[in-house]
Amino acid sequence: AQSVSQHNHHVILSEAASLELGCNYSYGGTVNLFWYVQYPGQHLQLLLKYFSGDPLVKGIKGFEAEFIKSKFSFNLRKPSVQWSDTAEYFCAVNTHNFNKFYFGSGTKLNVKP
Amino acid sequence: DTGVSQNPRHKITKRGQNVTFRCDPISEHNRLYWYRQTLGQGPEFLTYFQNEAQLEKSRLLSDRFSAERPKGSFSTLEIQRTEQGDSAMYLCASSLQGTSYEQYFGPGTRLTVT
Repeated sequence: AQSVSQHNHHVILSEAASLELGCNYSYGGTVNLFWYVQYPGQHLQLLLKYFSGDPLVKGIKGFEAEFIKSKFSFNLRKPSVQWSDTAEYFCAVNTHNFNKFYFGSGTKLNVKP
Repeated sequence: DTGVSQNPRHKITKRGQNVTFRCDPISEHNRLYWYRQTLGQGPEFLTYFQNEAQLEKSRLLSDRFSAERPKGSFSTLEIQRTEQGDSAMYLCASSLQGTSYEQYFGPGTRLTVT
């Protein structure tokens, strides 16, 4: 069965610090990769996605993620975080048929002003 | 608001009772997903509809769980004979086949079984 691992459960950063959140998945076939964000009191929303092509994808609000196939990883990055980035971040994977999505356990990011 | 809506937002029930949740997807979306999320975990896939057809069902979905999407629009998720372990947030998401498969999530229904 597929699984998604997010090793950082809780990250605390000061504003302007750089961010990298790890995501690893276990599946040998073709996958589609996503990062979702949940701001306090809000719904889950898509941050960025990778289907194919350039392994470095850019999303909203200055976030980007890099797909490294050999490492089964899809890490999320942002060069300089803001207090408004305080949220929970979920990595998700699905297989080529798009029918099932597998989510990681999430990383809570707390940015101190 | 034209997003995904879920009702009720909160439900408290006693063990052994049946509960039903409703999800109204974005109107043109033909795909609908149900997830369960417990504290400290990400959403766990439960089931998926394409139009009115239920095409995937997780092994997490025991016989006490049933989902329907009778006319390919709204969906219901019923849990029979609730157990304390069913306490969780139940999330619904919808997407449009043929697009980027971006899922739009609803606010969820928080179930507490006492």
